[in-house]
Amino acid sequence: TQLLEQSPQFLSIQEGENLTVYCNSSSVFSSLQWYRQEPGEGPVLLVTVVTGGEVKKLKRLTFQFGDARKDSSLHITAAQPGDTGLYLCAGDLANFGNEKLTFGTGTRLTIIP
Amino acid sequence: EPEVTQTPSHQVTQMGQEVILRCVPISNHLYFYWYRQILGQKVEFLVSFYNNEISEKSEIFDDQFSVERPDGSNFTLKIRSTKLEDSAMYFCASSRARGEGEQYFGPGTRLTVT
Repeated sequence: TQLLEQSPQFLSIQEGENLTVYCNSSSVFSSLQWYRQEPGEGPVLLVTVVTGGEVKKLKRLTFQFGDARKDSSLHITAAQPGDTGLYLCAGDLANFGNEKLTFGTGTRLTIIP
Repeated sequence: EPEVTQTPSHQVTQMGQEVILRCVPISNHLYFYWYRQILGQKVEFLVSFYNNEISEKSEIFDDQFSVERPDGSNFTLKIRSTKLEDSAMYFCASSRARGEGEQYFGPGTRLTVT
């Protein structure tokens, strides 16, 4: 059973287009993180969302946490080739003492110049 | 900007040998973690460590695995007798506070067991 499902798994779009990737679960999370991972490297933290309904912006990237804290989305405006990479969502379950991050399967994004 | 560092970047070992993977977490962080990622698969939690003891571990983290903070800066993962299926990228992470979620990851050690 996948606790965190990301969709789509693969996305290839032209430079300048907008896109949204999704991270969904049936479980409630205390917080949810988005990471970007390059091949052979560690995940790099992009943002953390904590409050249901929270929206955070990082330049052309907009992150939203669902009202029920079970899902999240990442929207990229005017995608650029430098946005190419693997995007991972990861959350910590809303259980007492739970510290581990549960990772999604990732969305591999390719921006075509 | 402070970052988590890991050594070595790549370790090749024979089945049955012991390996020690090393990490230097961010200096003012108190919580430390190990994760692994088998090629093509998800990042998986192994263990969390706080105040010189394990606070949580996954079912992957069996008796072959151990962690230690031998001094004020290093955090190590030891695999006592490696198996072929231990081949993976191993990531160390650290965070300032528990349950904060903001875990910062190192660049990883690629472990290849032959």
